[in-house]
Amino acid sequence: DVQLVESGGGLVQPGGSLRLSCAASGFTFSRDWMSWVRQAPGMGLEWVANINHDESQKHYRDSVKGRFTVSRDNAKNFLYLQMNSLRVEDTAVYYCVREWGYWGRGSLVTVS
Amino acid sequence: QSVLTQPPSASETPGQRVTISCSGSSSNIGRNNVNWYQQLPGTAPKLLISSNNQRPSGVPDRFSGSRSGTSASLAISGLQSEDEADYYCATWDDSLSGYVFGTGTKVTVL
Repeated sequence: DVQLVESGGGLVQPGGSLRLSCAASGFTFSRDWMSWVRQAPGMGLEWVANINHDESQKHYRDSVKGRFTVSRDNAKNFLYLQMNSLRVEDTAVYYCVREWGYWGRGSLVTVS
Repeated sequence: QSVLTQPPSASETPGQRVTISCSGSSSNIGRNNVNWYQQLPGTAPKLLISSNNQRPSGVPDRFSGSRSGTSASLAISGLQSEDEADYYCATWDDSLSGYVFGTGTKVTVL
């Protein structure tokens, strides 16, 4: 079965940094596009970034460009999201998503 | 703001049919396939419909999707209490070079 397990969330002050990790299993990780999607408390879903299988293509939403970096380690089956210069409005549950179809349970990031 | 517009809420009695609309533009729904997600309270979203009208394994055939022009819709027939959830449409937007979600629709079973 496909499993995506996020970790690395927590409480951070504005201007701080966090790195989220997503451990993937149950599928051939190295072949698939992967994404990060977030959901602020009580709000809707918001795509953050995605990355293709060999890291040659990366896309970011405008509000995180220059602050967030998506990467992956295909040898270890991990997806990452390095988040710098965090803002209060980045507070959300961050989900790891495979090919738009499989979602992890999420990791809460609180910037306060 | 989201570039895909959905009604904020929809409601119907058990057994009835509810339809949720998703309005976009030529740069998103007009060019790319639409996915629909169901988010039950306190849980992660789940893929309900992929590529406009395809149901992943395990999704009941009460759920159906369609796309026409720059709009898409999700229909739930034979509504059940466990269908109470938030529903989101989503697709790639070529102009934004990003994945866009709808504003979300809360379905209530009366």
